[in-house]
Amino acid sequence: DAGITQSPRHKVTETGTPVTLRCHQTENHRYMYWYRQDPGHGLRLIHYSYGVKDTDKGEVSDGYSVSRSKTEDFLLTLESATSSQTSVYFCAISEAGLAAYEQYFGPGTRLTVT
Amino acid sequence: GQQVMQIPQYQHVQEGEDFTTYCNSSTTLSNIQWYKQRPGGHPVFLIQLVKSGEVKKQKRLTFQFGEAKKNSSLHITATQTTDVGTYFCAGQGAQKLVFGQGTRLTINP
Repeated sequence: DAGITQSPRHKVTETGTPVTLRCHQTENHRYMYWYRQDPGHGLRLIHYSYGVKDTDKGEVSDGYSVSRSKTEDFLLTLESATSSQTSVYFCAISEAGLAAYEQYFGPGTRLTVT
Repeated sequence: GQQVMQIPQYQHVQEGEDFTTYCNSSTTLSNIQWYKQRPGGHPVFLIQLVKSGEVKKQKRLTFQFGEAKKNSSLHITATQTTDVGTYFCAGQGAQKLVFGQGTRLTINP
């Protein structure tokens, strides 16, 4: 498996609180992504990064922000968590390009918002 | 926006039976990728198809990309219990990779 870790692996939080999820890679890949996975929806792209301090929105970015200050770290922040953000969050990396190269996924973070 | 539809959503088979999942896009794709996710695990890349009409095989798995580059299929011959999981297709449209909803395969040994 590619060197990708996510933290925390599980989190329960209350509605209205901010939450930050961390993705860390040791592969020195340029592209990093955050997805959420919900039953019946597959994987949906939240935000992605194509370099340090270079990020862009995916299809479900409302309520989320990201930051990438180092190549190896990509942070996902839920500014004010809502129950609709209860999901499994996956980080992924790829060597280059959004789809020209395979993506390697981290182990996921299960987030529950009560 | 671009949509990738995958059917069926669920498939239960007896061990040894064949299995097929289909992927259809609303737009022409530059390429298509297939991933497998074991229960409780993360998606793992299986293969990428790029050319119109392309067919690739990996042991008992056969992947096809349609002539119009708008559909794809994954066929598993003689399923084994190790094939259990959810299979996702992911198509590249204008700039982003869009995943289908996945087909969850369960197998009765």
